[in-house]
Amino acid sequence: GAGVSQSPRYKVAKRGQDVALRCDPISGHVSLFWYQQALGQGPEFLTYFQNEAQLDKSGLPSDRFFAERPEGSVSTLKIQRTQQEDSAVYLCASSLGWGDSSNQPQHFGDGTRLSIL
Amino acid sequence: RKEVEQDPGPFNVPEGATVAFNCTYSNSASQSFFWYRQDCRKEPKLLMSVYSSGNEDGRFTAQLNRASQYISLLIRDSKLSDSATYLCVVNTNAGKSTFGDGTTLTVKP
Repeated sequence: GAGVSQSPRYKVAKRGQDVALRCDPISGHVSLFWYQQALGQGPEFLTYFQNEAQLDKSGLPSDRFFAERPEGSVSTLKIQRTQQEDSAVYLCASSLGWGDSSNQPQHFGDGTRLSIL
Repeated sequence: RKEVEQDPGPFNVPEGATVAFNCTYSNSASQSFFWYRQDCRKEPKLLMSVYSSGNEDGRFTAQLNRASQYISLLIRDSKLSDSATYLCVVNTNAGKSTFGDGTTLTVKP
């Protein structure tokens, strides 16, 4: 596809359930990022992949959060035993990632709006 | 204190006005800087990169002051379609991005 694709767009789950959010980055993009955005705030970094390697997971709020990108393309963010405070928009972004990746802008998907009841 | 700070606004301006947003960052190792635009319930979209020498793209001008760790965005001749939240973004090495909480702009007829 032309852009970053995320699914589902909306997810409602009961507290305690596990959820899985999918991100399909732009073809050829090496770097993939996950962010959590609460209402009225900017996106907060969760984790970062370069190909299949998870280089930084310092932003994951607890061990209930887990992300993977096994083949270096599609990524899944999994949240186990969901809590109400997990309700947020989860954004995925990708960038080319080669060379000096700090200069490369990120392209965002539409996000998954997660509501925990 | 957040790593990237912005005045949340809201800024309410008439069409045609000039408006400026400021952003400060605390990590002196920051390497690259961007402004993103986010419309309500939409994803952030890149507006422009910010270069040390300052750069302009049509009605938009971005400035960077590394010594003061300060970034600005100037919008001239504002349009109704400029109404959005503007996010300041700072990248460290390897591309990790830190976002400000955004400044909300409303342009009124």
